Order: sequence, then C-alpha cells, then structure tokens
Amino acid sequence: GAGVSQSPSNKVTEKGKDVELRCDPISGHTALYWYRQSLGQGLEFLIYFQGNSAPDKSGLPSDRFSAERTGGSVSTLTIQRTQQEDSAVYLCASSQSGTQETQYFGPGTRLLVL
Amino acid sequence: QQQVKQSPQSLIVQKGGIPIINCAYENTAFDYFPWYQQFPGKGPALLIAIRPDVSEKKEGRFTISFNKSAKQFSLHIMDSQPGDSATYFCAASYGQNFVFGPGTRLSVLP
Repeated sequence: GAGVSQSPSNKVTEKGKDVELRCDPISGHTALYWYRQSLGQGLEFLIYFQGNSAPDKSGLPSDRFSAERTGGSVSTLTIQRTQQEDSAVYLCASSQSGTQETQYFGPGTRLLVL
Repeated sequence: QQQVKQSPQSLIVQKGGIPIINCAYENTAFDYFPWYQQFPGKGPALLIAIRPDVSEKKEGRFTISFNKSAKQFSLHIMDSQPGDSATYFCAASYGQNFVFGPGTRLSVLP
C-alpha cells in the first residue's frame, strides 16, 4: 500500500516568509510525528499527534512553529517568518498506535531559507 | 538524560568487513531500541530493533548487541556490501517518546 507522503519535496523561500509543509500518513495510522534533520545531524523531534488527543508540542523550537492535524489524518507544519537557521529536511513519520510501534517515514521536505 | 550518543560519526570498510556502530544512553526508562537506515534523499527506514530483556538480536546480516548494565547497544553488519552504504541512526524510546542518535555515515568500498 501507499507509504507516508510529503509535499512539497523541496521548498526554497526568502527569509521572513511563511511556509506550509504537508504530510499524508499511512491510512489507519493514528500516530504522527514531525522531525527536523539538519545537514549531517540526527533527527530532532518537533511534535507528536495521537488520535484526537492534544498534541505533544514539547519539541517545537519556537512559537514560529505550529502544526495541526485535520480529521486525524493529514498534518500541516507551518513555519512563520522563516529564518535561515530553519533550513533543514523536515521529516514526517506515522505509526499504528504510537507506543513503540514501527515508525514509517516519508521522504521529507527539503527547506532552504535564503 | 534524554540524549543518545552514537559513534563513530563516519565509518569506511571494505566489502565483506564487519562495521560496528555503538550507541549509549542515560535514561533507564528507555525500553525499546530501534536502528534506522537512511539512504540519500530518502526517509529513515526501520532496520532492526531490540528490547532490554534480550542481549542480542539477529536479523539476516544485521545484529544488535545490548548491554543493559552498561546502557550501551551496538549494531554489527556481517559481510557488508556496497549497498549497505547509508547513514545509520540508533534510537531509544519509552512510550511515544523517541530520541535519536546523531547518525553514522557508513561507506562500504567494493
């Protein structure tokens, strides 16, 4: 079946602009994660959604970052007033229930802020 | 306490060699330890995982060794192939919390 998809695959924007990144998880997966991967670095946790529960936003680096998940499926990560240090690959992952289940990652969105 | 340390940062081996990647953690609440493999331009994919009630798990050419008392675990790749060239991430988890190591870039020379 279809895996996790993300769009756009690449995004170039100017400093100060807002960007929206989209994630379509695997159908039926209730858990959804967003991570940030800077060049040559590991995965930095951003936010976690589980079903209809309030999201775990503990990893969001600043109030310029927000995310929502509509209808328990598609998720959008929004970065307002982008800064050059926001340049990274943003990865989305989904799993069946979230607790130590295998996470299936999308291909990521490569964001470059000029 | 949430950090997972990983070494080496990069590794080069000849085909057929046995690369070993090591990870260490502090938080004893972690009870699930997966390894992910990432090829350039792709998202990470689960390779193999272990829970602390066993000291070793083998799947094909990939083996995890786990030392609970030392809070360390490692990945061994037997008979490595050029197709194994990728970045490998260890992770530690409890509940829905996942903490990833910084990654090891492995190159297997033909």
